[in-house]
Amino acid sequence: GENVEQHPSTLSVQEGDSAVIKCTYSDSASNYFPWYKQELGKRPQLIIDIRSNVGEKKDQRIAVTLNKTAKHFSLHITETQPEDSAVYFCAAQANQAGTALIFGKGTTLSVSS
Amino acid sequence: GAGVSQSPRYKVAKRGQDVALRCDPISGHVSLFWYQQALGQGPEFLTYFQNEAQLDKSGLPSDRFFAERPEGSVSTLKIQRTQQEDSAVYLCASSPGTRVQNEQFFGPGTRLTVL
Repeated sequence: GENVEQHPSTLSVQEGDSAVIKCTYSDSASNYFPWYKQELGKRPQLIIDIRSNVGEKKDQRIAVTLNKTAKHFSLHITETQPEDSAVYFCAAQANQAGTALIFGKGTTLSVSS
Repeated sequence: GAGVSQSPRYKVAKRGQDVALRCDPISGHVSLFWYQQALGQGPEFLTYFQNEAQLDKSGLPSDRFFAERPEGSVSTLKIQRTQQEDSAVYLCASSPGTRVQNEQFFGPGTRLTVL
């Protein structure tokens, strides 16, 4: 089955710096890769996703890149702000109806002002 | 509109007790997922419903875990004879269709503590 590895587990940056979180996956059948943000005690919320027919996707300060050959994808946050502080989870999903998301273990991002 | 809701938000059980956790998905959402999130970990898949049909229960950790969605809307996750290792946040998520790559909308979770 699918296995998703996420690095780093913690990341501390200064406000205004960029942050990069990387994930690798094992199942070549996976073709959907969402990123979720989870604030302390809150529900996970989708912030961006990418499908296998696309190599990069951007949404304001957030971007995701995908390398299907190497089976890795990354989240890039530019111009970080204190409100970006949260736990970020990558996930992968195979191309089969009803298949569950397989999550990484999460990255705790701390942005200090 | 209203998002996914779960109740109770917090549950404390003594070891050996049975518990029932409820999920109200977004109205009209066909797919419903249950996940277990241990402290400091990512959500782990438990089971999947398409309408009232439970199509995948491969993630349920033991036969003490049982889930149902009898009318294709509200779902209940039941844990019998709770053990300390069952302590976790139980998340429910729903999505509008059966097609893969539909966004999954998560509920706030139920934090279960087994003493």
